[in-house]
Amino acid sequence: AQSVAQPEDQVNVAEGNPLTVKCTYSVSGNPYLFWYVQYPNRGLQFLLKYITGDNLVKGSYGFEAEFNKSQTSFHLKKPSALVSDSALYFCAVRDRNNAGNMLTFGGGTRLMVNP
Amino acid sequence: GAVVSQHPSRVICKSGTSVKIECRSLDFQATTMFWYRQFPKQSLMLMATSNEGSKATYEQGVEKDKFLINHASLTLSTLTVTSAHPEDSSFYICSAQDRGYRNQPQHFGDGTRLSIL
Repeated sequence: AQSVAQPEDQVNVAEGNPLTVKCTYSVSGNPYLFWYVQYPNRGLQFLLKYITGDNLVKGSYGFEAEFNKSQTSFHLKKPSALVSDSALYFCAVRDRNNAGNMLTFGGGTRLMVNP
Repeated sequence: GAVVSQHPSRVICKSGTSVKIECRSLDFQATTMFWYRQFPKQSLMLMATSNEGSKATYEQGVEKDKFLINHASLTLSTLTVTSAHPEDSSFYICSAQDRGYRNQPQHFGDGTRLSIL
């Protein structure tokens, strides 16, 4: 079984400050990890992924995430937040051994960037 | 990048109506498509996995006779909500997986907001 936890329902940060959105996962094997962003009344947009290699992955719009195997975490970060980053963020995991390609999503974290 | 088109974006209809939602992969072939349901301020709930040329696999608790899924080609999957009732009102989102690339992200449509009066 695979699962994802996003412990914070909402994160508030001032514009220009660094932001972190937390994610921890559980899989039986090795994970593929993804971050998606959702704007109101829209589908999910892919931000970045960890497959293998460097633990720090860089993605769209200046976002990055660090894979930490010992802590089973994949926190999303950005050095300087923008008001336009305000949205709903989802972390997702897929077990590499999952033949069905099924993604499991976390509950989502609403990011509010205040001007 | 990979684009998934979902249509319609919004449907408002009377109780008892059947509603069809289309999901198309525009620039890649999708062996597998997924259908999700999202309630307000909640995460995505996987309803079913749609495989081209075969029957869909439904998650526990999802009525297959209520939510009919057809995946007739590598670029099109449809979800039909049969005899819809107000409790079926929700935001439905599809996604598609580029075949042969399991380590690639799923690509999502923009969703369909279904409102049953």
